[in-house]
Amino acid sequence: QQNVQQSPESLIVPEGARTSLNCTFSDSASQYFWWYRQHSGKAPKALMSIFSNGEKEEGRFTIHLNKASLHFSLHIRDSQPSDSALYLCAVSHNTNTGKLTFGDGTVLTVKP
Amino acid sequence: GGIITQTPKFLIGQEGQKLTLKCQQNFNHDTMYWYRQDSGKGLRLIYYSITENDLQKGDLSEGYDASREKKSSFSLTVTSAQKNEMAVFLCASSGTANTEVFFGKGTRLTVV
Repeated sequence: QQNVQQSPESLIVPEGARTSLNCTFSDSASQYFWWYRQHSGKAPKALMSIFSNGEKEEGRFTIHLNKASLHFSLHIRDSQPSDSALYLCAVSHNTNTGKLTFGDGTVLTVKP
Repeated sequence: GGIITQTPKFLIGQEGQKLTLKCQQNFNHDTMYWYRQDSGKGLRLIYYSITENDLQKGDLSEGYDASREKKSSFSLTVTSAQKNEMAVFLCASSGTANTEVFFGKGTRLTVV
């Protein structure tokens, strides 16, 4: 059974800082890797995903994947107060569904 | 774009009561999900359905039933509400495998 762990549990950074969030998974057959963001009281919303080793950049956000290490991460450049949220990593298998296993999340607070 | 509508937004029930949560999506997605989110934590999968009348158990299905009456709707029944399952219940849907999973805003369950 898939086990997904996130670190740190919470993080406080100043505005403009670079932020790094980590996620490890247990099933080496996992195929797709996601980061979701959930602002307080709102629905989780997908930020970005990756399926092959390496990195992918979209604006201020970069995702790194290392399947051999069972690890992927999210990096936020020039963090903004509006980035303050719960960040959830999620992993899926290459099956007929998009069934995701989520980590417990990292609460990010960006101080102005 | 589409939307996922969950009703009710808030549900208060008595311990031992049978309670039903409803979800509608207009994405025309095949797969629908019910996740439970305990306070500020990650999401755990209760049930999912890959097509009308299909049901698949997730990691947290004990104490719950689900029904996929038609492609656009998916309901969840708490068979006997307990105080330790007070949480936000999130409905979600996705199209083809490994595409983005979209979430509703949730139903917050309180058991008194």
